[in-house]
Amino acid sequence: NAGVTQTPKFQVLKTGQSMTLQCAQDMNHEYMSWYRQDPGMGLRLIHYSVGAGITDQGEVPNGYNVSRSTTEDFPLRLLSAAPSQTSVYFCASRRWKGNTGELFFGEGSRLTVL
Amino acid sequence: QKEVEQDPGPLSVPEGAIVSLNCTYSNSAFQYFMWYRQYSRKGPELLMYTYSSGNKEDGRFTAQVDKSSKYISLFIRDSQPSDSATYLCAMRGPSADFGNEKLTFGTGTRLTIIP
Repeated sequence: NAGVTQTPKFQVLKTGQSMTLQCAQDMNHEYMSWYRQDPGMGLRLIHYSVGAGITDQGEVPNGYNVSRSTTEDFPLRLLSAAPSQTSVYFCASRRWKGNTGELFFGEGSRLTVL
Repeated sequence: QKEVEQDPGPLSVPEGAIVSLNCTYSNSAFQYFMWYRQYSRKGPELLMYTYSSGNKEDGRFTAQVDKSSKYISLFIRDSQPSDSATYLCAMRGPSADFGNEKLTFGTGTRLTIIP
């Protein structure tokens, strides 16, 4: 049972380059989301989706793009990387409705923008 | 002012000690309170979940919520080296549509249990 799988685990980019962080889950969760984690800032929500074809912005969406064509996949695109996007990115998913609110996280993707 | 405040630590205690981790919050609408544990270079995982005020116990862990003071705590009894991790509090309010309510996280407290 893989849970939430993120690739790549590590990536170094130059300023201005674009890339896609991949996220896949095998738990048939309707809700998927992307967070970034920075020292002293905690986890901040970038974008989220409540089902295929439906996405919405979180707290820090600028510079990122998402799409949700299937229940399983939720890629995060960096359009033109900036040093301020150096961070650890986490994908998380959960059931659509459930009072526990338990988010299942991937292991993270560490991104460095030079 | 952040909606959720959490002392970042780091906090180091000897094995067997009782550990107290805390968060304060300002949004009185928060009703669901969670503690996540995050090991180094791993994603967070849910440790405890409570609804509204009161205590909840699970083995060596006790989660406590005081809504009147807007204060939540996580107690770890008989702490073990394997408890060394970063602990994040998280909370959310009610929603008619439970699907898209958002969690607000604390910044996390880094805990080290010394053998």
